Amino acid sequence: GAVVSQHPSRVICKSGTSVKIECRSLDFQATTMFWYRQFPKQSLMLMATSNEGSKATYEQGVEKDKFLINHASLTLSTLTVTSAHPEDSSFYICSASGHLPREQYFGPGTRLTVT
Amino acid sequence: AQRVTQPEKLLSVFKGAPVELKCNYSYSGSPELFWYVQYSRQRLQLLLRHISRESIKGFTADLNKGETSFHLKKPFAQEEDSAMYYCALSGIGGSRLTFGEGTQLTVNP
Repeated sequence: GAVVSQHPSRVICKSGTSVKIECRSLDFQATTMFWYRQFPKQSLMLMATSNEGSKATYEQGVEKDKFLINHASLTLSTLTVTSAHPEDSSFYICSASGHLPREQYFGPGTRLTVT
Repeated sequence: AQRVTQPEKLLSVFKGAPVELKCNYSYSGSPELFWYVQYSRQRLQLLLRHISRESIKGFTADLNKGETSFHLKKPFAQEEDSAMYYCALSGIGGSRLTFGEGTQLTVNP
């Protein structure tokens, strides 16, 4: 099956710094990538949808200037959390889908801790 | 607006017993419904989708448009079924998913 990787798996950063998370589709071309946030014991909350070569579409309430998403190629999307604060600490999950089928394949997630 | 509701956060059954994880949805058009599963320390993965009408690992789910439900069922639960289960919805042809809150299933020996 299709494989999606995320890097890093865990990151700790200081408040005020920026951190970049990578999401890669390893064996297929991902026309669309999604970024989710998951709080402990809660569901996945879609943050944004990105299509290769175009600007990401953010969900209501998600600050686009804080969570910068770049989808520069068909196999790579990045999420940059800018000027991170402790409340940004969370589990960030990406998923990727190709043309057919439109199934989403999920990455293993990145645990971000802001101190 | 689209919404998915899983009324049970926790569900515990004994091995060999039937299990049903409930999912209700609201959507103005014709939705695609999915069940995703997340085993301990593993990534989220697709279990089944309603358009496939298939049985995966003994699980089935039928879309009931009248009751706007997509309950997940298995006649005889196994210990390895213990996991977090998420019901999800997207519009036909679309890929944006809306997830329910999830149900943690525990199958006891």
